Amino acid sequence: AQSVTQPDIHITVSEGASLELRCNYSYGATPYLFWYVQSPGQGLQLLLKYFSGDTLVQGIKGFEAEFKRSQSSFNLRKPSVHWSDAAEYFCAVGFSTDSWGKLQFGAGTQVVVTP
Amino acid sequence: NAGVTQTPKFRVLKTGQSMTLLCAQDMNHEYMYWYRQDPGMGLRLIHYSVGEGTTAKGEVPDGYNVSRLKKQNFLLGLESAAPSQTSVYFCASSYGDRYQPQHFGDGTRLSIL
Repeated sequence: AQSVTQPDIHITVSEGASLELRCNYSYGATPYLFWYVQSPGQGLQLLLKYFSGDTLVQGIKGFEAEFKRSQSSFNLRKPSVHWSDAAEYFCAVGFSTDSWGKLQFGAGTQVVVTP
Repeated sequence: NAGVTQTPKFRVLKTGQSMTLLCAQDMNHEYMYWYRQDPGMGLRLIHYSVGEGTTAKGEVPDGYNVSRLKKQNFLLGLESAAPSQTSVYFCASSYGDRYQPQHFGDGTRLSIL
């Protein structure tokens, strides 16, 4: 069965430190991948996406993600976290067998930024 | 740029009552989706539509109905609300291409007492 896993429910990071959020998927073919961010009381905002080509993709707000086919992973990184990065982050996966753009979301990772 | 607009933003219902959530998008998107978000479960797809007049079931469709009479609007109905439907509901839309990202509204927080 197709699945998306974000192993870390909650991460606390100091302002200025680096951040890495993990996302793993289970699927037999290459999926298309997204990272979204949700600030409190808001909808989801797209950070970046991967369909094909260069496996390191750059997004907004200084985020990047790397697709590793061998590990079925699409981890999100930021070199230096700002207090405004405190939010919940969702990995979402679309599957090539679906024609209608449906996505499967991970459970989310809550990021807390400390001074 | 309004994007995706959801109304209402908050609502409290009693068990057994009915209501309709409205989603409107001004981006001329073909595809529209309704999700529910519950703690620790991410977003789960309720129903979706790939064009005006079409709807289909998602992962958790029971207890909900939808309609897409106009391309820009996607309505989600609860005929007889149950406490298990207490959740935050999100609408999203995208161009008619599965590689395009979905654009989300700000959500409707619904409590069923």
